[in-house]
Amino acid sequence: AQTVTQSQPEMSVQEAETVTLSCTYDTSESNYYLFWYKQPPSRQMILVIRQEAYKQQNATENRFSVNFQKAAKSFSLKISDSQLGDTAMYFCAFILGAGSYQLTFGKGTKLSVIP
Amino acid sequence: DTGVSQNPRHKITKRGQNVTFRCDPISEHNRLYWYRQTLGQGPEFLTYFQNEAQLEKSRLLSDRFSAERPKGSFSTLEIQRTEQGDSAMYLCASSQGLVEQFFGPGTRLTVL
Repeated sequence: AQTVTQSQPEMSVQEAETVTLSCTYDTSESNYYLFWYKQPPSRQMILVIRQEAYKQQNATENRFSVNFQKAAKSFSLKISDSQLGDTAMYFCAFILGAGSYQLTFGKGTKLSVIP
Repeated sequence: DTGVSQNPRHKITKRGQNVTFRCDPISEHNRLYWYRQTLGQGPEFLTYFQNEAQLEKSRLLSDRFSAERPKGSFSTLEIQRTEQGDSAMYLCASSQGLVEQFFGPGTRLTVL
């Protein structure tokens, strides 16, 4: 079974600063996808960034980037130039490739951006 | 708005009552998923539909839970004889491919 671990229940960052959220996962498979989802207070979950395991290059989406270390099974999210709107729960998630449908989520990290 | 929608957004019920939630996926998406999220936890998979066929059910989905997706469009999730432990956020997601799932706002259930 696949597991996803987020070891930081809460984090805070000053506005305009950079913060990194950690995620580790465990799987014996080689074909999979990793995601970071953002869930703002009382709002729906949205996809922030995704990474295909077969790609060596780290994914980047504007101010969001990942550090994907496949051998270490680590998938951290870096948020640059933090904005107040980044305040949210952030969930790391995993799905196997080749016909899988079940997302496995970590417990989440609550990020607060301080003005 | 062409995103995933869920109704109602909030539901308060007494223990032992039946409740039904509805999910309307993004129109061209043929795959639909239900997840449950309890306080302080990430979402947990409940069930999956491809078109109208329910292809997988988690062991979390007890006999009191039933989900349908008639005609492969909207889906309903019914909980019979609700228990306090059923209190949670119920999330619906849909996808066209097998990888990227788009989530709705959820239905928050409180069982008194």
